[in-house]
Amino acid sequence: AQKVTQAQTEISVVEKEDVTLDCVYETRDTTYYLFWYKQPPSGELVFLIRRNSFDEQNEISGRYSWNFQKSTSSFNFTITASQVVDSAVYFCALSEVDNYGQNFVFGPGTRLSVLP
Amino acid sequence: SAVISQKPSRDICQRGTSLTIQCQVDSQVTMMFWYRQQPGQSLTLIATANQGSEATYESGFVIDKFPISRPNLTFSTLTVSNMSPEDSSIYLCSVGLAAPDTQYFGPGTRLTVL
Repeated sequence: AQKVTQAQTEISVVEKEDVTLDCVYETRDTTYYLFWYKQPPSGELVFLIRRNSFDEQNEISGRYSWNFQKSTSSFNFTITASQVVDSAVYFCALSEVDNYGQNFVFGPGTRLSVLP
Repeated sequence: SAVISQKPSRDICQRGTSLTIQCQVDSQVTMMFWYRQQPGQSLTLIATANQGSEATYESGFVIDKFPISRPNLTFSTLTVSNMSPEDSSIYLCSVGLAAPDTQYFGPGTRLTVL
């Protein structure tokens, strides 16, 4: 069965600090997809990134970067020079595809508070 | 991506009543999903609603409690029936254009049951 673990329940940092959010997943499939979503206080889930299991290249998008390591089943998310607007709950998710469709599982989330 | 709207954005309901939540997408999509997010918790999939077929419910969710309609490729409704305070949650719809694909989420409906 698939599973996503985000061991950090809450993190607090001061503005301009770098912060890394951890995500560890479990799956028996060789083909799968990993995602990060942001949920600000307004409640809407905002898609940040998707990675497939065959692409281990790290990705950078502005202040955001993602480190995907299949050897450790991890897909960590780093925010550089954090800002107050980064305060949100961040969810890591795993998707497998079988003959019946897509199976999407979310981790428990990490609440990030960026203090001014 | 897709632009998704939900109605109502929030509601306060009395125990024993029912609420129907609407989800509208700005483009035709095959797959629509309904999730529940209880306070301080992660998202749990309630059901998958594909047009032209009955909704598929996840373990722990039943059609009598959460009936779903999917009349066309841009619209779906979720009804929360015979509500109790334990149903107080955020309900979110999401869409996927194809499997496998990113799911894009609506803004959610905050439900409080008194």
